[in-house]
Amino acid sequence: KAGVTQTPRYLIKTRGQQVTLSCSPISGHRSVSWYQQTPGQGLQFLFEYFSETQRNKGNFPGRFSGRQFSNSRSEMNVSTLELGDSALYLCASNGGDSYNEQFFGPGTRLTVL
Amino acid sequence: AQSVAQPEDQVNVAEGNPLTVKCTYSVSGNPYLFWYVQYPNRGLQFLLKYITGDNLVKGSYGFEAEFNKSQTSFHLKKPSALVSDSALYFCAVRDPNQGGKLIFGQGTELSVKP
Repeated sequence: KAGVTQTPRYLIKTRGQQVTLSCSPISGHRSVSWYQQTPGQGLQFLFEYFSETQRNKGNFPGRFSGRQFSNSRSEMNVSTLELGDSALYLCASNGGDSYNEQFFGPGTRLTVL
Repeated sequence: AQSVAQPEDQVNVAEGNPLTVKCTYSVSGNPYLFWYVQYPNRGLQFLLKYITGDNLVKGSYGFEAEFNKSQTSFHLKKPSALVSDSALYFCAVRDPNQGGKLIFGQGTELSVKP
């Protein structure tokens, strides 16, 4: 069974640009969650999508958005990048309706210059 | 509001000795508790979970955790540490009313020396 795939693995952008990150969950999983990991703030929940609908949202500005496609693949977008957006962005694939074991991808390392 | 605290930024242990990584939580209702491990430049790997049942939970790689409701703790333990256990460990709590949202502690760096 293939794991969670995140692309790209590394990105370098400049302030003001926008970026799109992709996550393909484990086959059969319908829910995807996104997290931001930084040394200062730790791991913070961004949002969760279930069957193409945003189910939950964290405390991030509107520059952070996401979507989910019918095949459960998810994308997150960050517009007008700021230096503070430099982080490891992790995607979690949630199995079934219980969420009692979430499988994380390797992450996308975003550097904003 | 749900919260998780890991009081130690770093834990140092000699190989072969037992290890404990501490976690305390604050939740309303019954807690759903998890431990994850992160190796450098990698995502998070699931270690174990407590949902209900026995207070002692066994997980991957010989790790176990003890749920203590009165002390609101969920400490991670291993009887005999390995150098390869050196990594960043995260405790997390999930509110069953908020879908898949996990709230993480700040992480504890475990260093196991030979």
